[in-house]
Amino acid sequence: EIVLTQSPAILSLSPGETATLSCRASQSVTRYLAWYQQKPGQPPRLIMYSAFNRATGISSRFSGSGSGTDFTLTITDLEPDDFAVYYCQQRSNNFGPGTKLEIK
Amino acid sequence: EMQLVESGGDLVQPGGSLRLTCAGSGFTFADYSMSWVRQAPGKGLEWVANIKQDGSEKFYVDSVKGRFTISRDNAKSSVFLEMNSLRVEDTAVYYCVKWSGTRDPYYYYGADVWGHGTTVTVSS
Repeated sequence: EIVLTQSPAILSLSPGETATLSCRASQSVTRYLAWYQQKPGQPPRLIMYSAFNRATGISSRFSGSGSGTDFTLTITDLEPDDFAVYYCQQRSNNFGPGTKLEIK
Repeated sequence: EMQLVESGGDLVQPGGSLRLTCAGSGFTFADYSMSWVRQAPGKGLEWVANIKQDGSEKFYVDSVKGRFTISRDNAKSSVFLEMNSLRVEDTAVYYCVKWSGTRDPYYYYGADVWGHGTTVTVSS
């Protein structure tokens, strides 16, 4: 079983700053890693697929990188609407524990 | 507009059973693999089960194997989750999820449509 870990668990930043979120897999997932954003009381929303491809309607301020076991989601020029919990998922299976991006 | 609507969540005693239903609309349901994902109160996301377009392949997280069964009826644009021998730890919001890709690997494009979820509470 592939285990995903995300760091940091909580990231406190101010609007306008850049967020860097990490997802690490216990073994290679090649590039089959997606990122989802979830706000309280809402279902998750697809942000990035296959490591570095933005989903439909997602701002260019979001970018993804990585392959194998180490992946990064970067959000530049943070806006108030970006503050949420972000999950990574490998293939169609398990998720990471999430990173909560909160306003500092 | 593509949409998924879940139903069937309820309060049930430990050891009981429930059947969740997810109805899809706004897309050709038979073309896409589907999943169930759950989220316990205040916790993260947990993948539960997947089913391929024609129902020929099904996959489950270890914790539900032998207790849960995923199935689909493409003529009714619906996917189901039959849950038996329910445990307190199965308490969660259950989301129905559509995968974007129509060819393998179907997960290449991620899961692009999520329902709003249905709540399952297992308690005596």
